[in-house]
Amino acid sequence: GAVVSQHPSWVICKSGTSVKIECRSLDFQATTMFWYRQFPKQSLMLMATSNEGSKATYEQGVEKDKFLINHASLTLSTLTVTSAHPEDSSFYICSAPSASAREAQYFGPGTRLLVL
Amino acid sequence: GNSVTQMEGPVTLSEEAFLTINCTYTATGYPSLFWYVQYPGEGLQLLLKATKADDKGSNKGFEATYRKETTSFHLEKGSVQVSDSAVYFCALTGTASKLTFGTGTRLQVTL
Repeated sequence: GAVVSQHPSWVICKSGTSVKIECRSLDFQATTMFWYRQFPKQSLMLMATSNEGSKATYEQGVEKDKFLINHASLTLSTLTVTSAHPEDSSFYICSAPSASAREAQYFGPGTRLLVL
Repeated sequence: GNSVTQMEGPVTLSEEAFLTINCTYTATGYPSLFWYVQYPGEGLQLLLKATKADDKGSNKGFEATYRKETTSFHLEKGSVQVSDSAVYFCALTGTASKLTFGTGTRLQVTL
């Protein structure tokens, strides 16, 4: 089946620094990717939709300048958490849809971010 | 808008017990329905899906039937194993492939 990878899987950073998370579709092209955030013992919250060749679409309440998304190619989307603070510590997960909107999405393994 | 409601957990069962995790939804049109599973420290994996009414999705002994009349997609397994311990998410997809998730139900299976 289709595979989505994320890098890094785990990152610890100091408050005020920026962190970049990569999401790659390994064996298929994805014009759209989704970025989610998950707090401990909670469901996934959709942050934004990453669109290849155009600006990302952010969900209500998500700061565009805080969470920069770039969809550089048909197989790569990046999420940059700028000037990270401890409250940004979370589990970030990306996904890419299959060719059909009625089929499943393929999820990356997630990136755990800890901001000290 | 779309929404998914799951039974609250955690659900604790003994090995070989019968499992039911309830899921109901509200959606416009005819969404596809999914169950995803998340093992500790990992991302989500698709467990099963159903794309139209009366479809039954099944995988690894788990089953769920798309019930349009009751807007439900309950997850069942006849005999759970310790390795089934995880968090289970019911979800639906609407427009533009966006997924709407339920809150998740944690399952703990003990020997």
